[in-house]
Amino acid sequence: NAGVTQTPKFRVLKTGQSMTLLCAQDMNHEYMYWYRQDPGMGLRLIHYSVGEGTTAKGEVPDGYNVSRLKKQNFLLGLESAAPSQTSVYFCASSYGGLGYNEQFFGPGTRLTVL
Amino acid sequence: QQQVKQSPQSLIVQKGGISIINCAYENTAFDYFPWYQQFPGKGPALLIAIRPDVSEKKEGRFTISFNKSAKQFSLHIMDSQPGDSATYFCAAYLYSGNTGKLIFGQGTTLQVKP
Repeated sequence: NAGVTQTPKFRVLKTGQSMTLLCAQDMNHEYMYWYRQDPGMGLRLIHYSVGEGTTAKGEVPDGYNVSRLKKQNFLLGLESAAPSQTSVYFCASSYGGLGYNEQFFGPGTRLTVL
Repeated sequence: QQQVKQSPQSLIVQKGGISIINCAYENTAFDYFPWYQQFPGKGPALLIAIRPDVSEKKEGRFTISFNKSAKQFSLHIMDSQPGDSATYFCAAYLYSGNTGKLIFGQGTTLQVKP
């Protein structure tokens, strides 16, 4: 099992460009999450999904959109990238949504917006 | 009130020493407290977790101490090894509405010197 995979690993964008980050999991998990990690700020939840076809906002959703058309995939979109979106993005998945349901993280995507 | 405050930001320990990382929270509705370990270039991975009705949990060299009245919890790494060098995040789980979210601390970068 590959677990949680993320595509691409690295990306450089110019301000105003758009892009989509892809997350895939092969564990048949219902819940999926997108986080961003910035120095000194830990991981902050951007959006999450509790099942196929559902999405919801997290702590820092502005400037991002998501879609969960298939259970195994969770896409994060940046419509018009800004330098403030320079970050490392992590996708995670879990079987359930309760605290004891371990979240499994992907390897991350390092995004730089110039 | 949803914050989890983690300290120190960085920590250097000699091999064989004890590493201690502290976290504090305000919201008494948090009901699960995991710790995640992250190696450079990798995603976070669950290390150990504790419920608020337990004062201590030990797994090998890793121990969580939990003080519910003080709203504080800490990670102790006994006999620290160079292989423990990583970033550690505490987190707290908050169940709200029909789902829950993990709130992460700011992270602690641990370096264990040989």
